[in-house]
Amino acid sequence: EIVLTQSPGTLSLSPGERATLSCRASQSVSRNYLAWYQLQKPGQAPRLLIYGASTRATGIPDRFSGSGSGTDFTLTITRLEPEDFAVYYCQQYAAPLTFGGGTKVEIK
Amino acid sequence: QVQFVQSGAEVKKPGASVKVSCKASGYTFSSYSMHWVRQAPGQSLEWMGCINGDNIKTEYSQKFQGSVTFTRDTSANTAYMELSSLGPEDTAVYYCARGSASGSWLIDYWGPGTLITVSS
Repeated sequence: EIVLTQSPGTLSLSPGERATLSCRASQSVSRNYLAWYQLQKPGQAPRLLIYGASTRATGIPDRFSGSGSGTDFTLTITRLEPEDFAVYYCQQYAAPLTFGGGTKVEIK
Repeated sequence: QVQFVQSGAEVKKPGASVKVSCKASGYTFSSYSMHWVRQAPGQSLEWMGCINGDNIKTEYSQKFQGSVTFTRDTSANTAYMELSSLGPEDTAVYYCARGSASGSWLIDYWGPGTLITVSS
């Protein structure tokens, strides 16, 4: 199975700053089947942000963008809003599904 | 809109089984697969497997083969996940999540999760 490694583990930033999150795969992700999810707090449902490496899901603000292909992928949040401080997971959805370890974006 | 209501938190003893329900609304239940994902305390998300819309085909992660069973009741718009022979390592939040209509295994909507605690 494909192992996803996310970095950094924690990102300390201020509102309005830019966040850059990395996700590296142990082998090429076929058809760029790479998604990003946001988990704001326990007890809440994770939210799909990006799929196909770069396509924003329905209703996701354009400050979120995804890029990359093959084994290296990036999620960028251009200007952090207070509600963006959360944990972000990348996932590849070629079978079997696997998730990265997560990046926590916290308020500096 | 797409919504899920999952069954409430439970405490189970080691060796017991647990069955988590997930009632869906806001879409045609039988047209979409349902995935199950868990998150143990301090850990990342872990895919357990999925069941397709017509309740015929299931896919289980190799780790959970033989210990988990997925079912669904289309008349009740409800999916179920049963995990047997529980151990402390099964303490986690269990999420149901809808597979998208894209033909891939993309997950597009998630339930709020059910906390299962395994403790003697």
